Amino acid sequence: QVQLVQSGAEVKRPGASVKVSCKASGYSFSTYAIHWVRQAPGQRLEWMGWIFAGNGDTLYSPNFQGRVSFTRDTSAGTAYMELSSLMSDDTAVYYCARNIRGSTWCDYWGQGTLVTVSS
Amino acid sequence: QFALTQPASVSGSPGQSITISCTGTSSDVGHHDCVSWYQQYPGKAPKLMIYEVTNRPSGVSNRFSGSKSGNTASLTISGLQAEDEADYYCSSCSTSHSYVFGSGTKVTVL
Repeated sequence: QVQLVQSGAEVKRPGASVKVSCKASGYSFSTYAIHWVRQAPGQRLEWMGWIFAGNGDTLYSPNFQGRVSFTRDTSAGTAYMELSSLMSDDTAVYYCARNIRGSTWCDYWGQGTLVTVSS
Repeated sequence: QFALTQPASVSGSPGQSITISCTGTSSDVGHHDCVSWYQQYPGKAPKLMIYEVTNRPSGVSNRFSGSKSGNTASLTISGLQAEDEADYYCSSCSTSHSYVFGSGTKVTVL
């Protein structure tokens, strides 16, 4: 069955960077995109961007441009999201989600990774 | 990027029908038939309920239906059940292959 399993919770200092992983299984990793979405405590979902696992094409939300980077390791079936220059406002649960390229929805989601930014 | 506008809360009694609206602009909801709806329970990941405005994924109850008129999309839940109590988010593609989510609606079953 399709699964997206994310790395564990992180606590970071302001100004630091965090890297979250998303390991896919149960499907052909390279034929899908991975979207990243975050949700601050008690707040709405916020779209961060996507990476196409096949060729590494990326698209970032303007809200995160320059501060976020998506990569993938096709041999490991894993996508990564790295966010730099962390601020307290970046405290949130970060989700990865699968999206078949050419479609406009995400059908499977990871369990989420809580990133806490605190001094 | 601004969030799509949803009502903060909608409530209904068991068996009733409720509708959640999702208002965007001519650059997102009004321009493309790519509105999706997600259900989210507290502490859980979102679950896809509707895609491309009206389509239900396999396994989603036919009590959930979607529609769109102009810049506003809607999710209707008919025959409301206790298990439908959750947060609901709309999402739309936008210009340049980007996406935007709605502000979220808390559904309460009275």
